[in-house]
Amino acid sequence: AQSVAQPEDQVNVAEGNPLTVKCTYSVSGNPYLFWYVQYPNRGLQFLLKYITGDNLVKGSYGFEAEFNKSQTSFHLKKPSALVSDSALYFCAVRDTMNYGGSQGNLIFGKGTKLSVKP
Amino acid sequence: DAGITQSPRHKVTETGTPVTLRCHQTENHRYMYWYRQDPGHGLRLIHYSYGVKDTDKGEVSDGYSVSRSKTEDFLLTLESATSSQTSVYFCAISSGTSGNTGELFFGEGSRLTVL
Repeated sequence: AQSVAQPEDQVNVAEGNPLTVKCTYSVSGNPYLFWYVQYPNRGLQFLLKYITGDNLVKGSYGFEAEFNKSQTSFHLKKPSALVSDSALYFCAVRDTMNYGGSQGNLIFGKGTKLSVKP
Repeated sequence: DAGITQSPRHKVTETGTPVTLRCHQTENHRYMYWYRQDPGHGLRLIHYSYGVKDTDKGEVSDGYSVSRSKTEDFLLTLESATSSQTSVYFCAISSGTSGNTGELFFGEGSRLTVL
């Protein structure tokens, strides 16, 4: 079955330090991978995606993610964390199996809460 | 921001009553989705639509129905609400145009409490 795992419920980082939010996936075929961020009482916002090409993907707000096919991982990173980065982060993979009439729905991880302290 | 409006944003209801949540988009996107968000579960797909009157079930569709009579509106109905349906519901849209790789745009959510 296709799935996404975010092994950490919470990540704590000091402001100015680098941050990593982990994601591993299991899919058939080539993965389409996404990161979303959710601020309190808001909907999810798209951060970045990997489809093909360069394994290092750059996205919004200074975030980047590294695709590693051998480790089936797509970790989210930022060189220097800000307090305003504190939020809930979701990794997602496009479902390539249950295509049906859809373009391929997204399967989400359970989310990782990022807390950046001053 | 994508033009997605969910209504109501908050609702408290009693077990056994019907509830309808509305998602309205101004983007003319083909695909629309209903997800629910629960602690420890992340987001789970309830139903989705790939066109007017074209809908299909997602991972957690039991107890829910949907309708899409117009491109811009996607309704989620709980025929007889239960406490297990207390959740935050998110609508999402996607264009599905050539080259689109599936990223979604989300509404602000509808918080439903079933007493």
